[in-house]
Amino acid sequence: AQKVTQAQTEISVVEKEDVTLDCVYETRDTTYYLFWYKQPPSGELVFLIRRNSFDEQNEISGRYSWNFQKSTSSFNFTITASQVVDSAVYFCALSGWVSQGAQKLVFGQGTRLTINP
Amino acid sequence: DSGVTQTPKHLITATGQRVTLRCSPRSGDLSVYWYQQSLDQGLQFLIQYYNGEERAKGNILERFSAQQFPDLHSELNLSSLELGDSALYFCASSPSLGGNTYEQYFGPGTRLTVT
Repeated sequence: AQKVTQAQTEISVVEKEDVTLDCVYETRDTTYYLFWYKQPPSGELVFLIRRNSFDEQNEISGRYSWNFQKSTSSFNFTITASQVVDSAVYFCALSGWVSQGAQKLVFGQGTRLTINP
Repeated sequence: DSGVTQTPKHLITATGQRVTLRCSPRSGDLSVYWYQQSLDQGLQFLIQYYNGEERAKGNILERFSAQQFPDLHSELNLSSLELGDSALYFCASSPSLGGNTYEQYFGPGTRLTVT
């Protein structure tokens, strides 16, 4: 069975600080995908990134960066120079195989990030 | 905007009632997923359809059912509603069942309040 743990329930920082959201996962699959989603106060879930289990290269997109380490089963998300608009709940998710080659997403409990001006 | 639409945005109903939530996937996506988000359970996968067929079931109650129609839109039916069914219900779509194109795009959600 797949499991995703986001140990940080809430994080609060001052604007312009860097912040890292932790994600640890468990799976027996050899091929899997990891995701991060953002849920702003408006409620929708916004897709941020997908990472293939065979690709351990770090990825940077503007102020966002992701660090995937298979050895520690972690897929951490860093926001550099945080802004108030980054305030949201962030979910880490793992794809899990179900029958007939189909996948589903298993989500962590989410980390509520508050950026204070 | 993810391209996934859900109606209605909000729904308030009484215990014991039945409601239907509707979802239209992104253009070209064949796979539709339903999730429930509540404060105590987090984001829970309910059920998945692919091109009209049920492909996977998660933590879906027997009082809940879903279907995907030939035009690929999907409906989630919730019956004999209880207070604990109050939650945000998300629909997501994906172009495939898995593999390198596997991503799920979420709709804005339907907030259900059972009083």
